[in-house]
Amino acid sequence: ILNVEQSPQSLHVQEGDSTNFTCSFPSSNFYALHWYRWETAKSPEALFVMTLNGDEKKKGRISATLNTKEGYSYLYIKGSQPEDSATYLCAPSTGGGNKLTFGTGTQLKVEL
Amino acid sequence: ETGVTQSPTHLIKTRGQQVTLRCSSQSGHNTVSWYQQALGQGPQFIFQYYREEENGRGNFPPRFSGLQFPNYSSELNVNALELDDSALYLCASSLLTSSTDTQYFGPGTRLTVL
Repeated sequence: ILNVEQSPQSLHVQEGDSTNFTCSFPSSNFYALHWYRWETAKSPEALFVMTLNGDEKKKGRISATLNTKEGYSYLYIKGSQPEDSATYLCAPSTGGGNKLTFGTGTQLKVEL
Repeated sequence: ETGVTQSPTHLIKTRGQQVTLRCSSQSGHNTVSWYQQALGQGPQFIFQYYREEENGRGNFPPRFSGLQFPNYSSELNVNALELDDSALYLCASSLLTSSTDTQYFGPGTRLTVL
């Protein structure tokens, strides 16, 4: 069973703060890492798919980096806004397919 | 919106009963994956269907079964329901099955087993 860990479990920040979370996963048999944002009562929304060591992706104020050799990825949010409040999930895919193994997520709450 | 729909939204069953959950994939997608999210956990992979054939299965017992239809919609069936089956069930569709293909999720079906 693949062990995917995310930290912190939850985070409360003020509007305008920048924040980051960590996703750790086994570096062996790695193919790709997926990040999702999941707002309450909505569908999980795909943010990034990352494959290469040193990869960096950006979408607006959100960016992510990937280290496949040591098995971790960071997600950064610059200037957090209340609409960023959500659970952020990471999921490596292994075995060459897109069957995802999710971490438990980081729950972010951005307060005014 | 992802274009992936699931029905029903909520469902209450009693232990021992059987349940069928449904998923309509995004237009053009031929792959559907099902996940179970129990309280306090991340979604866990149940199985995947590609062009109507099972294409991989997670660590779930045989009483969890599925189907994919020619229009690529899918069903998840659970027999002999147990209390621990109470969870949010998510389906996700994708165009292909490679590791970099994004999966687009539906909003889920909340199953409560009493």
